[in-house]
Order: sequence, then structure tokens, then C-alpha cells
Amino acid sequence: AQSVTQPDIHITVSEGASLELRCNYSYGATPYLFWYVQSPGQGLQLLLKYFSGDTLVQGIKGFEAEFKRSQSSFNLRKPSVHWSDAAEYFCAVAPSGGYNKLIFGAGTRLAVHP
Amino acid sequence: DAMVIQNPRYQVTQFGKPVTLSCSQTLNHNVMYWYQQKSSQAPKLLFHYYDKDFNNEADTPDNFQSRRPNTSFCFLDIRSPGLGDAAMYLCATSRDRQAYEQYFGPGTRLTVT
Repeated sequence: AQSVTQPDIHITVSEGASLELRCNYSYGATPYLFWYVQSPGQGLQLLLKYFSGDTLVQGIKGFEAEFKRSQSSFNLRKPSVHWSDAAEYFCAVAPSGGYNKLIFGAGTRLAVHP
Repeated sequence: DAMVIQNPRYQVTQFGKPVTLSCSQTLNHNVMYWYQQKSSQAPKLLFHYYDKDFNNEADTPDNFQSRRPNTSFCFLDIRSPGLGDAAMYLCATSRDRQAYEQYFGPGTRLTVT
């Protein structure tokens, strides 16, 4: 069965520090991959997506993610975190070629210290 | 701006009292989804509409129903809410079944007393 694992439930970083959020997926073929961000009490906003091509993708708010097929990973990175980045981050996959169903990881809650 | 709108943002209902949550979209997307998200958990897909074609997830309780009277609107009906149904309910859209990017509304927080 397809699954998404986000190993870190909570992460705390200092403002200005770099950030990496981990995501691993389990799927027979290369799925479509997404990162969403959710601020408290809000819906989900798409940060970036990977369908094919260049394995390093750029997203909004200065985020990027790298797809590594050999590791079945799609880790999210940001070189310098801002206090406004404090939120919950969800990695999601959609089986390529199938109908559009997103499978979400459990999420990583990011706290930013001043 | 084109968007997904959910009303109300907060809904309080009593145990067993039917409740309806609404979602509208100005994106003119063919597919609309309803997710349930409990506290500190990932969103869980309940069902989706592809145009007028309703698709229920296998593990969605019968207590949850949906209606889509037209392209723009979709409703989530909970026939007899239990305490375990307290959650955030998220509506999302995508252009069509082959467009994998989903656009989410702000959610409705449902409290059951």
C-alpha cells in the first residue's frame, strides 16, 4: 500500500537557521509529490510539487525540495527560516497515472525561536 | 481572486443533530473533495465529486453524505454527528482528475457538544 512517512513530528529551529523536513514515500512507481503548509486554523497551501524532470524543485516562500529516487525521499529545505514559517508541514503523494487522490504524511510541526 | 470558500468557519452542533457544511469555488474546477482532519493528524479523504460523479472512500462512514448541486457548490452533510466527528473539515478542488494539484479552502472547524 502507498504510504508517506514524515519521521519528525516536531522540529524547533532558530530564526535565520536552515531547515530540512524529511519525507519518505512507499510506492511502486514514482508518484507525484507535494509539500503543503498549514497555519493554525487554516487550510492547506501548496508550497511546491514534483511531477518529473529536474529533481530539485523551487516553491513559494523560499522553499525548495529535492526528489531522490534511490532513497524514496522528497525532503523540504529552506536556507534561512523566518518566524512566519512556524506552521505544520505535510508531505503528500498522488499515484501517477491514477485518479487524483492525495495521501498525506502525518505532518511535521515547525516552531521557530527568535 | 479565484478561490475555495468554506462556510461557516466554525460550527457548533449538538450530538445527533444533523449539520451541513458548505463549500464553494470560483475556479471552475471539475473535481471537489472533502477531507476530515482531526487534531494533529493528516487530512483524510472522505469522498470526492468528479463533475456529478460521486466517489466515496471505502472507509467513510454512512453518517457522512455529500451533495453537489452545481459546479460551484458542494455540501457535506453529517446526519447524526457523534463526539468523534469533531474535526476540521477541508474542501479542496482540482481542475480535473488528471490535474494532481489540489486547492484547499480554509476549513470549517466542527465542534460537537
